[in-house]
Amino acid sequence: GAVVSQHPSWVICKSGTSVKIECRSLDFQATTMFWYRQFPKQSLMLMATSNEGSKATYEQGVEKDKFLINHASLTLSTLTVTSAHPEDSSFYICSAGGLGEQFFGPGTRLTVL
Amino acid sequence: AQSVSQHNHHVILSEAASLELGCNYSYGGTVNLFWYVQYPGQHLQLLLKYFSGDPLVKGIKGFEAEFIKSKFSFNLRKPSVQWSDTAEYFCAVNDIAGNMLTFGGGTRLMVKP
Repeated sequence: GAVVSQHPSWVICKSGTSVKIECRSLDFQATTMFWYRQFPKQSLMLMATSNEGSKATYEQGVEKDKFLINHASLTLSTLTVTSAHPEDSSFYICSAGGLGEQFFGPGTRLTVL
Repeated sequence: AQSVSQHNHHVILSEAASLELGCNYSYGGTVNLFWYVQYPGQHLQLLLKYFSGDPLVKGIKGFEAEFIKSKFSFNLRKPSVQWSDTAEYFCAVNDIAGNMLTFGGGTRLMVKP
């Protein structure tokens, strides 16, 4: 199957700093990527749909200015958590795919102190 | 909007017991259906998928699922579970027009050796 990578796999930062998470499709091009958030012992919640060359589409309740998404190329989407706070601590997962099937990255664990 | 329900939040079984995890969805159109598994500390992996054709789908590691259109269900089954099946299982749905996946709340399975 197709491979999606994420970097970093774990990041710890101080409150108030910004953190960038990268999502790459390694062996295929993805015009659309998705960003999810998973709290402990909970399901994945879609945050936004990242579209190459255009603005991301955010789900209701997700702050656009807080979670900046850039889909600069067909193989790379980035999620920047701006001015992170402890409540932003979570597991962030991206996915990419097409024809009805999504391939998931390994996730990035963000811990904000 | 589509939604997915997994009624079993936690399941505890002994090895060799049979497994059935429920998944129901609500959506008026044609859908693609998926079961994903997330082993402790690992990322999501696709177990099986249904797009069309035979409603009984066989996946990896001895899992299968049956799509019953009249019941809007896609239950996951395994005749004999192993300790290594301990994981969280997510049912997901998307409509054939788009790529966005909607996840169920997940079922945490623990298999006692």
